[in-house]
Amino acid sequence: DAGVIQSPRHEVTEMGQEVTLRCKPISGHNSLFWYRQTMMRGLELLIYFNNNVPIDDSGMPEDRFSAKMPNASFSTLKIQPSEPRDSAVYFCASSPRGEAVSFGLFFGSGTQLSVL
Amino acid sequence: AQSVTQLGSHVSVSEGALVLLRCNYSSSVPPYLFWYVQYPNQGLQLLLKYTTGATLVKGINGFEAEFKKSETSFHLTKPSAHMSDAAEYFCAVQNQGGKLIFGQGTELSVKP
Repeated sequence: DAGVIQSPRHEVTEMGQEVTLRCKPISGHNSLFWYRQTMMRGLELLIYFNNNVPIDDSGMPEDRFSAKMPNASFSTLKIQPSEPRDSAVYFCASSPRGEAVSFGLFFGSGTQLSVL
Repeated sequence: AQSVTQLGSHVSVSEGALVLLRCNYSSSVPPYLFWYVQYPNQGLQLLLKYTTGATLVKGINGFEAEFKKSETSFHLTKPSAHMSDAAEYFCAVQNQGGKLIFGQGTELSVKP
């Protein structure tokens, strides 16, 4: 299995530009999570999906952030417009559901976002 | 609501010494508890987990953790540190809805 695949690995953009981060979860996993990691705030859960439906987006910082999961094998996190304070590593993770809710999460390698 | 506190943002040990990383949790329901490791420029990797049953849990790379309900703790240990253990370690609690709440992380340094 290829694991959770995130792209791009690195993204450098200028303030005000739109940024789209992509994630392909592990095949068969029904839950998908987007996390943000910064030195100041640690790992923050932004949003998670079960069966492609957003369940909890309370961690999304503001309206500039949006996430979609059009099908079971793909999700995007979009920031529009981007700001320097959005600079962070963004992780996608997936997990099986049902009795396997205790399996924990499988993380991608992350996208390092720098907004200049 | 669940929460996790990791005591010590940075722990330094000598190679061959005992590793002890502390984690306390708060949960109103029986918790699922996890330890993850993050190597530089990589994503998080599951080390071990506690769900139900035996309170002493063994994980990869010689790590283990003990769930102590009375102390609301889930400390991570390894008898003998290797240089390759240098990384950041995260304790986490997962609620019934699958939401994983992480602690702030503990960076482990291993001195030769």
